[in-house]
Amino acid sequence: NAGVTQTPKFRILKIGQSMTLQCTQDMNHNYMYWYRQDPGMGLKLIYYSVGAGITDKGEVPNGYNVSRSTTEDFPLRLELAAPSQTSVYFCASSLTPNTEAFFGQGTRLTVV
Amino acid sequence: DAKTTQPPSMDCAEGRAANLPCNHSTISGNEYVYWYRQIHSQGPQYIIHGLKNNETNEMASLIITEDRKSSTLILPHATLRDTAVYYCIVRVVSSGTYKYIFGTGTRLKVLA
Repeated sequence: NAGVTQTPKFRILKIGQSMTLQCTQDMNHNYMYWYRQDPGMGLKLIYYSVGAGITDKGEVPNGYNVSRSTTEDFPLRLELAAPSQTSVYFCASSLTPNTEAFFGQGTRLTVV
Repeated sequence: DAKTTQPPSMDCAEGRAANLPCNHSTISGNEYVYWYRQIHSQGPQYIIHGLKNNETNEMASLIITEDRKSSTLILPHATLRDTAVYYCIVRVVSSGTYKYIFGTGTRLKVLA
């Protein structure tokens, strides 16, 4: 059972480039989340989804977009990369809001 | 903003109980307290959660004060593999769904 899988693990972007961080889960979870973690800090919620076709903003959504066309996949899009988006990005999923969230291993993104 | 306050770091001798405190004085009546830990830079791992009763599972115990303004995570017999950053999180209800609001956590170091 793979759980939550994120790709790529590492990426370096130039300012102004765009990219999509992929997240997929095989647990048939309705709830999925994207977090970012800056050095020495806790995680901050970027976007979340309560099911296919439904997404909403978290604490720090500016500069990002998401979509949820299937239960399994929840990609995060950066349109115009900025140095402030240098961070580690974690995707997570949970069956319900009350159950534990499972996290992926993270994508380390550097914008130069 | 995080709704929890934790000490930035703690040490614990191997084999001893590790008691990690958390203050959540502004918690609302229907908000749960969750604990996760993050080893190195991996994705956070669920430990335990509770509302107002004390909880125990195979990993840890959670003690919540009667007024719910604080809680303590107890690792009964800490091992070197328990060295990690421990996050105390209040799950808040916002825009009709639930979100985890992470703080900066406690860095626990288990000493041989």
